[in-house]
Amino acid sequence: QSVLTQPPSVSAAPGQKVTISCSGSSSNIGNNYVSWYQQLPGTAPKLLIYENNKRPSGIPDRFSGSRSGTSATLGITGLQTGDEADYYCGTWDSSLSALYVFGTGTKVTVL
Amino acid sequence: QVQLVQSGAEVKKPGSSVKVSCKASGGTFNTFTITWVRQAPGQGLGWMGRIIPALGIANYAQKFQGRVTFTADISTSTAYMELNSLRSEDTAVYYCARADDMEVWGQGTTVTVFS
Repeated sequence: QSVLTQPPSVSAAPGQKVTISCSGSSSNIGNNYVSWYQQLPGTAPKLLIYENNKRPSGIPDRFSGSRSGTSATLGITGLQTGDEADYYCGTWDSSLSALYVFGTGTKVTVL
Repeated sequence: QVQLVQSGAEVKKPGSSVKVSCKASGGTFNTFTITWVRQAPGQGLGWMGRIIPALGIANYAQKFQGRVTFTADISTSTAYMELNSLRSEDTAVYYCARADDMEVWGQGTTVTVFS
C-alpha cells in the first residue's frame, strides 16, 4: 500500500499535454525532493526528473516537474506515441516502514 | 557511461533462498549507493532498501527486515541481494539501481517462486 497517490491513468492525443499528480504528506513530499520515473512496457524504469524539477542528461525538456506543499506534478508536453508508459513518483519518507516510497503509478495513453 | 548488469532469471521453491547479483561497469562503484527495487507481476514499484558499498552499511524496508541481506564486493564492483524464506508472493522482477536517485537501472532479474 503506497503512501503516494497517483491517478491510475491519464490520456491525451499526440501533441497535447498531460499532467500527473502525486499526493503525499508532510512525512514525505512535504519535506523531501521528489523524483519521477518512466517505465516503458517490458523495460526497467528510467529516471526522468530528480530534485523536484531537474532533468538528467538526455531527458527532453518536454518533461517537467514541480512540487507544492505535499503534492508534486509531472508534466509532459508535445505528447508522442513513445511516451506511452507507466510513470511513478518517488521520495524519501520519515515513517518507519520504508525510507523511500514510490507512488501508485500512472498509465499514460496516447490516443 | 555507467551500466548495471544483473544475473539471470531464477526459479525457486517456497522456503528456499535466492541471491541476485548486480555488476557495475563504467563508473566508480564505491562512491554511490546501490538501491534494490522489486515489482510483482502487474504491480507497481516497491523499494526494498539500499547499501553503501564503501561502508557495507545497508538500510532495509521494514517489510523485508530479517529476510533480505544486501552485500557488495568492491573488488568486482558487484552488489548482491539475498532473499530468504521465499514464498509465492516474492515472485517478481528485482532491479538494482545506482544512487539514491536511481539514476541508472539494471535490466531486472525475474524470480519465480512456485512448488
